[in-house]
Amino acid sequence: GENVEQHPSTLSVQEGDSAVIKCTYSDSASNYFPWYKQELGKGPQLIIDIRSNVGEKKDQRIAVTLNKTAKHFSLHITETQPEDSAVYFCAATPFDGLTFGKGTHLIIQP
Amino acid sequence: KAGVTQTPRYLIKTRGQQVTLSCSPISGHRSVSWYQQTPGQGLQFLFEYFSETQRNKGNFPGRFSGRQFSNSRSEMNVSTLELGDSALYLCASSLEPPPYNEQFFGPGTRLTVL
Repeated sequence: GENVEQHPSTLSVQEGDSAVIKCTYSDSASNYFPWYKQELGKGPQLIIDIRSNVGEKKDQRIAVTLNKTAKHFSLHITETQPEDSAVYFCAATPFDGLTFGKGTHLIIQP
Repeated sequence: KAGVTQTPRYLIKTRGQQVTLSCSPISGHRSVSWYQQTPGQGLQFLFEYFSETQRNKGNFPGRFSGRQFSNSRSEMNVSTLELGDSALYLCASSLEPPPYNEQFFGPGTRLTVL
């Protein structure tokens, strides 16, 4: 089955700086790569996703890049704000349930 | 539009008991997936239902089961509870079956097994 590795497990950045979270996957058949944000006491919230026929996607301060050859994808958050503090999960799936990374705890320092 | 609803939000059971969790998807969504979230194993896929049929199942023992009703509402059941079943159980709904459709998660049911 699919295996997703996510790094780093904790990321601390100054407010206003950029944050980058990286994931690798193992199954070359995976074709859908969503990113979720989870705040304390809440379920994961989809923030951006990318499909295998696209190399990059941007939505305001958030962008995702996908390199299918290398089997890795990354989340980029620019101009970080206090409300960006949360746990972020990447995921991948070839055709069924999502396989998630272990999560990155993003801390925004004032 | 109301989001995914899960009931109950919190549950305490003892070993050996069984439990049933409920999920109401977003109106119009026909696919429901269930996930288990623990600090050690993270988010793990349990199973996915579409049109009352289980389409996919994760690597969990047969004690974990589920079903979907004609109105797309879903339930999952865990029998003979073990301490290791303590977790946050999350339900996600989407318009059509995964993988191409966005999955929207509910707040989860926190199950504690004593």
